[in-house]
Amino acid sequence: SQTIHQWPATLVQPVGSPLSLECTVEGTSNPNLYWYRQAAGRGLQLLFYSVGIGQISSEVPQNLSASRPQDRQFILSSKKLLLSDSGFYLCAWSLGQIEQYFGPGTRLTVT
Amino acid sequence: AQKITQTQPGMFVQEKEAVTLDCTYDTSDPSYGLFWYKQPSSGEMIFLIYQGSYDQQNATEGRYSLNFQKARKSANLVISASQLGDSAMYFCAMRDPVGGYSSASKIIFGSGTRLSIRP
Repeated sequence: SQTIHQWPATLVQPVGSPLSLECTVEGTSNPNLYWYRQAAGRGLQLLFYSVGIGQISSEVPQNLSASRPQDRQFILSSKKLLLSDSGFYLCAWSLGQIEQYFGPGTRLTVT
Repeated sequence: AQKITQTQPGMFVQEKEAVTLDCTYDTSDPSYGLFWYKQPSSGEMIFLIYQGSYDQQNATEGRYSLNFQKARKSANLVISASQLGDSAMYFCAMRDPVGGYSSASKIIFGSGTRLSIRP
C-alpha cells in the first residue's frame, strides 16, 4: 500500500532563516506531487505541483521554492523565511485527477 | 473561476443523529469533480468521498453519502448515525486541472465546517 511521509512534524524558525521541508511517497511510481499551505482555520491553497522529476510548477508567487530530486521525493524550501510563511504545510500525491492523498503535515511557526 | 462555498462555519449534532454539511460550487467547466475531506485536530487531511459531474448516482462510502444536485450546484455531505469520532473540520473541494497537464489537478477547498458531536 502507498504511504506518504513528511518531516519535520513541527518547526519553529526565526524570520530570515532558511527552510527545508521534505515529503516522500512509498509504494507507487511516478506520482503527481503537490505542496499545499493551510492558514489557521482556513482551507488549503496549492503552492506547487510536479508531474515528474525536475518538473515544478508554481501556483502562487511567493517566498518559497520546490524541488523534486527523485521520483518520490518533494522538497519545499526557502532562503529567508517571512512571518507570513507560518502555517500548516501539507504534501499530497495522486496518480491522476481523482483523489489526492495527503501526508501528516508540517506545522511551521516563524517567529 | 471555480469556487466552493461552505456557509456553515460550525455545527453541533447529537451522537447517533444524521447530519448534513452544505456545499455549493461554481464552475463553467462541463466536467468536474467534487470531494469531501475530513480534517481532525491532528491536522491530517482524510479523503472521504468523490462525485464526478457525469456520475448518474450519488456517491456513497459507508456512513458517508453525497447529495449531488447538479442543477442547484450543490454537493452536500450526509453522515448517517454520527459518532464522537466524527468531530472534525470538513472541507468540500473541487478538482481543477492545472497547467495543461492532463494528469495533474489541484484541489480548490471551501472554508470548511467544524462539526462537533455531542455525547
